[in-house]
Amino acid sequence: RKEVEQDPGPFNVPEGATVAFNCTYSNSASQSFFWYRQDCRKEPKLLMSVYSSGNEDGRFTAQLNRASQYISLLIRDSKLSDSATYLCVVNMYGAGSYQLTFGKGTKLSVIP
Amino acid sequence: EPEVTQTPSHQVTQMGQEVILRCVPISNHLYFYWYRQILGQKVEFLVSFYNNEISEKSEIFDDQFSVERPDGSNFTLKIRSTKLEDSAMYFCASMVVTESWYFGPGTRLTVL
Repeated sequence: RKEVEQDPGPFNVPEGATVAFNCTYSNSASQSFFWYRQDCRKEPKLLMSVYSSGNEDGRFTAQLNRASQYISLLIRDSKLSDSATYLCVVNMYGAGSYQLTFGKGTKLSVIP
Repeated sequence: EPEVTQTPSHQVTQMGQEVILRCVPISNHLYFYWYRQILGQKVEFLVSFYNNEISEKSEIFDDQFSVERPDGSNFTLKIRSTKLEDSAMYFCASMVVTESWYFGPGTRLTVL
């Protein structure tokens, strides 16, 4: 059973392009939602939390639809430095603790 | 900014040997975690730890694994008898509230 599913990727886009990532999660009891960025062989780093009202941080916009269990991330005006793997992450309370459940990630390559 | 630290950054061991991976979580955090990521795969939950005991563990966390917080600052993961399939990046994480998860840089474990 796949708990967090993402676009398989990879996405290869030119600088300045707009790119959208999608994610679905299976557990309706999930409590909070995030996008993380992971560079090659590095730790995941929080990009932004995701709320039903939608939230924006500069060129990044995230949206949550609880009814359809769907999360999205939009990156506008892509930069070379945006090249990374983007992880959709869901926080839920398991058998004894909160824990993060990760999607497999979507690799983004921004090309000059 | 506070950070989670992990040592060593890379550990090479022979199959069947014991390894101890070390983490220093952020000092006022209460919840501690180990995750692992096999190369090319998603980040997977191993174990959570709170109030000096395991809160929850995944099916990956079998009898070969143990965790300890021996001195109030370090948080260790021990693998008693390593197998080839234990080769992965191991990430320590700590949390004080569910919106603020901090990951360490990881230890890359290679089992030969």
